[in-house]
This record gives sequence, C-alpha cells and structure tokens, in this order.
Amino acid sequence: GAVVSQHPSWVICKSGTSVKIECRSLDFQATTMFWYRQFPKQSLMLMATSNEGSKATYEQGVEKDKFLINHASLTLSTLTVTSAHPEDSSFYICSVYGGGDNQPQHFGDGTRLSIL
Amino acid sequence: AQTVTQSQPEMSVQEAETVTLSCTYDTSESDYYLFWYKQPPSRQMILVIRQEAYKQQNATENRFSVNFQKAAKSFSLKISDSQLGDAAMYFCAYRSPSGTYKYIFGTGTRLKVLA
Repeated sequence: GAVVSQHPSWVICKSGTSVKIECRSLDFQATTMFWYRQFPKQSLMLMATSNEGSKATYEQGVEKDKFLINHASLTLSTLTVTSAHPEDSSFYICSVYGGGDNQPQHFGDGTRLSIL
Repeated sequence: AQTVTQSQPEMSVQEAETVTLSCTYDTSESDYYLFWYKQPPSRQMILVIRQEAYKQQNATENRFSVNFQKAAKSFSLKISDSQLGDAAMYFCAYRSPSGTYKYIFGTGTRLKVLA
C-alpha cells in the first residue's frame, strides 16, 4: 500500500491565489520530508528539506517567501505556493525519509499545479 | 560536491531483450547509497533497486540488477527480459550516509520498449 499520500493530485487556479499541497506519511513518523519540483522531461529539482518542528532548509535559488513549508507534525508537511503565477505551474512531488541509514525516500504521487 | 551523470537521454530495447542504463557519479566519500528510481507516465516515483557502497555484492531485484563498480564510480542498471511495462524514465540517485539525507539525481534516461 501507499506509504506517502500527497493531495491534491491536480489543481487549477487563477493567478494571484495561494495553493496548499499536503504530504502525509502513512506508515511511519517522518522527521524529514523533501519537496521537489519537476519540469516536463526533466529531473527532479530539490526545493527544500522539511524538518518537523523547525524551519525548512531551502535550496539555493528557491524563494522561501514564495514557497512556504510547514512541518508541524511527524506525519504532515505542507507546501504553500503564495500568490501563484503562471511561471509557478509545474509538477510538485514530496518524499518522506524513512529513517535508518539504508532506507530510501518514499515519494508521493505528485501534484500537477496549473496557474491560469 | 557530489554529482550524478546519466549520459543516455534515451534508450530503446526490444521486448524480452536486455538493456543496460548507465550512471556515473563523483564523490569523495567512501560510504554512500545509490538508488535507481523508475518514473512511468503516471509520474509516480518507484524504487527499483538500491546499493550500499560498502557492499561489494551487486544488488538484484528479480529482472533488475546493477553493476556497481566503486573504483570507477559507476552504477549501471540492467533490465533483463524487458517488458512493455518497463517503459519509463529512469533516474539514478546518490545519497550520503548521514546528514541531510538528500538525494542527488541524475538527469534521467527515457527507456522505450518496442513490441
């Protein structure tokens, strides 16, 4: 069964609105979650590392005021795209780190965001 | 800083045949983890296989196996008896043994399976 639940899977909204994407760890408590962005036919680009109970760590070039991350519990992290514009349209994927040095990341099914 | 290179943007294989996808990486660390993920058109990221650098034995998962050459910093994926469902993007990923647990992904190889 699914280890990570990401919601919504597809969202269309008007320019200027804010959109929240949820990432839930279903099978275990996750102190660390990751948020990625993927453009068509490209690889995953890490946006930020989400740490439970503390501020997220953003990768260079990612606007932290544009992409707000909240990791308030061990099973839920949210990504809010604030004042979204068409250039923010993309595929966003979260992943959960399973704990233990040899464990892989488990990925959500992704969210397709379209800003009109 | 670590880097991961997948030099084959696209590969094709005939159904039931064998194909090898290449991945090289650069690191100064002696211990690390390597992964292959599959991303079909549904865009789910599916773990195919993983390898711990301290293990000399190559990992195998059913029709999928790796050729891990630590000295050469090479981590290729072999798919045997290719099936139509194997058609997807394949990403190689590197992870340090501790710290942030971030992945460094390669640019991906699109695999086409011909009937």
